Amino acid sequence: AQSVTQPDIHITVSEGASLELRCNYSYGATPYLFWYVQSPGQGLQLLLKYFSGDTLVQGIKGFEAEFKRSQSSFNLRKPSVHWSDAAEYFCAVGAGYGGSQGNLIFGKGTKLSVKP
Amino acid sequence: GAGVSQSPSNKVTEKGKDVELRCDPISGHTALYWYRQSLGQGLEFLIYFQGNSAPDKSGLPSDRFSAERTGGSVSTLTIQRTQQEDSAVYLCASTPGHPLGTNEQFFGPGTRLTVL
Repeated sequence: AQSVTQPDIHITVSEGASLELRCNYSYGATPYLFWYVQSPGQGLQLLLKYFSGDTLVQGIKGFEAEFKRSQSSFNLRKPSVHWSDAAEYFCAVGAGYGGSQGNLIFGKGTKLSVKP
Repeated sequence: GAGVSQSPSNKVTEKGKDVELRCDPISGHTALYWYRQSLGQGLEFLIYFQGNSAPDKSGLPSDRFSAERTGGSVSTLTIQRTQQEDSAVYLCASTPGHPLGTNEQFFGPGTRLTVL
């Protein structure tokens, strides 16, 4: 069965420092991969997605992620974190098959705190 | 344009009562999903509607949970005989276009359900 693992429950970084949030997935075929962000009291917002092609994908708010098939990973990165990036980040894989996206399977999330 | 809307935003109920949660997807979106976000469990898929096809109910945790989608638009998630473990945020998402493809899921703000 498909699954997503985010090994870090909580990460704290200083403002201006670089960030990498880890995500590993288990899926038998080429996955559809997503990163969402959820700010306190807000809904989920898509940061970026990977379906095929270039393994380095760019998203909104200066985020990027790299798909590494050999490591079953899709880590999220940002070169310089801003205080407004403090939120919870979710990695997800599309559970569909035969080309269909289907529902999303989410990791448990990583809460990011930013120190001034 | 208008996004996915959900009502009510908060619902407090007593154990054993029935509740109905409503989702209005983005106009024209053919697919609609319900998820549950609870402490310790993360985001869990509940049910998926695609056009006029039979819904995928594989994520519903018990037969107390049901959902319908009228006219291919508005959806209602019903929880009968609520239990305290049903307390969670219930999220709805919709996607445009054909199910075979790489559609972004747009999430609503959620309904926070508290069962006393």
